[in-house]
Amino acid sequence: EDKVVQSPLSLVVHEGDTVTLNCSYEVTNFRSLLWYKQEKKAPTFLFMLTSSGIEKKSGRLSSILDKKELFSILNITATQTGDSAVYLCAVEDSGGYQKVTFGIGTKLQVIP
Amino acid sequence: GAVVSQHPSRVICKSGTSVKIECRSLDFQATTMFWYRQFPKQSLMLMATSNEGSKATYEQGVEKDKFLINHASLTLSTLTVTSAHPEDSSFYICSAPHDEKLFFGSGTQLSVL
Repeated sequence: EDKVVQSPLSLVVHEGDTVTLNCSYEVTNFRSLLWYKQEKKAPTFLFMLTSSGIEKKSGRLSSILDKKELFSILNITATQTGDSAVYLCAVEDSGGYQKVTFGIGTKLQVIP
Repeated sequence: GAVVSQHPSRVICKSGTSVKIECRSLDFQATTMFWYRQFPKQSLMLMATSNEGSKATYEQGVEKDKFLINHASLTLSTLTVTSAHPEDSSFYICSAPHDEKLFFGSGTQLSVL
């Protein structure tokens, strides 16, 4: 059974801090790892990672995947209050989109 | 990016009634849509895969007669929770794949009294 474990479960930081969110996984036939930001209920897509060691970047957010150690990290630099959200990690196996397993999420709160 | 619209956002109903939730892809066609459920402090769990023009595929443990899914067009899937009970109270959310990404609706919070 596919499994995704995220840590920490929650995090409180001050504006300007840098945070690292962790995601470890077990999947039968790995296809991709996905990061979403969930605020006010609707998850929005952040990154899709398929290859080890290649950093994906979008503004202050970046993510990298290690397929050997079965984990990924999501970094947010110079955090802002608007970064407050639940960050979801998910893995997709080669069964297609039907086989997407989500972690429980990391709740990030950025305080001024 | 692509938009998936889900309605209603919140439903409060009496036990025994049926509730219909709609999921629409607004600017793309979706032959497949997915329905998830999320209980408090738990992860999103896939309930079923909605297939346009054919029967939905349900995950193990999800009652197909209780959670009726209809995908009558390329842009609309509906989930009907029949004879809802308090234990069905949960957050229901749909998603549709487009351009190798999954786009989510805004979710429906169902409270059954």
